[in-house]
Amino acid sequence: SQKIEQNSEALNIQEGKTATLTCNYTNYSPAYLQWYRQDPGRGPVFLLLIRENEKEKRKERLKVTFDTTLKQSLFHITASQPADSATYLCAGISSGSARQLTFGSGTQLTVLP
Amino acid sequence: KAGVTQTPRYLIKTRGQQVTLSCSPISGHRSVSWYQQTPGQGLQFLFEYFSETQRNKGNFPGRFSGRQFSNSRSEMNVSTLELGDSALYLCASRSRALSSYEQYFGPGTRLTVT
Repeated sequence: SQKIEQNSEALNIQEGKTATLTCNYTNYSPAYLQWYRQDPGRGPVFLLLIRENEKEKRKERLKVTFDTTLKQSLFHITASQPADSATYLCAGISSGSARQLTFGSGTQLTVLP
Repeated sequence: KAGVTQTPRYLIKTRGQQVTLSCSPISGHRSVSWYQQTPGQGLQFLFEYFSETQRNKGNFPGRFSGRQFSNSRSEMNVSTLELGDSALYLCASRSRALSSYEQYFGPGTRLTVT
């Protein structure tokens, strides 16, 4: 079955450093990948979407890449701040009319002051 | 613009009972999806509705059902509750434009089955 895997359950980094989160997909080829942020007790918040024909997308301190050869997306937060601490979810969208989102299990990022 | 709202926010039910959860999407959004989130399984897709029709369905038993009304508000129902149904149930809405895939999530309903 199609699967989205986020290899790290938790990641701790020092304030000011760049956080890099990994998302791998297996058994399908998503046409799009999305990244969401989720804080405790809240629903996920959309951050970025990247299409399979795009190598890289940026938004302020956020950057996401999509490597269809490696079947991987990397999500970077530069100049990280304690306020960036949250769980980050990767989600794939298949092509076709279904548009169903398949989510990874998330990576809990903690930025230490 | 008001966000996605879900009611109730918290619910405690007993095994065997049934429950109905409600979701009001962002104004103008006609697509509503439901997800179940648990620590073990993560976020799993339940179903999506658009214009009162179920367009897509995840791998959940028939005890899980939903519907959408003409004003795009949606409800999901779980019958014969099991302990394993304890979870955060999230509703998300999006514009149905072909180029739009951003989902806007509500705060969720925390269901506890005892």
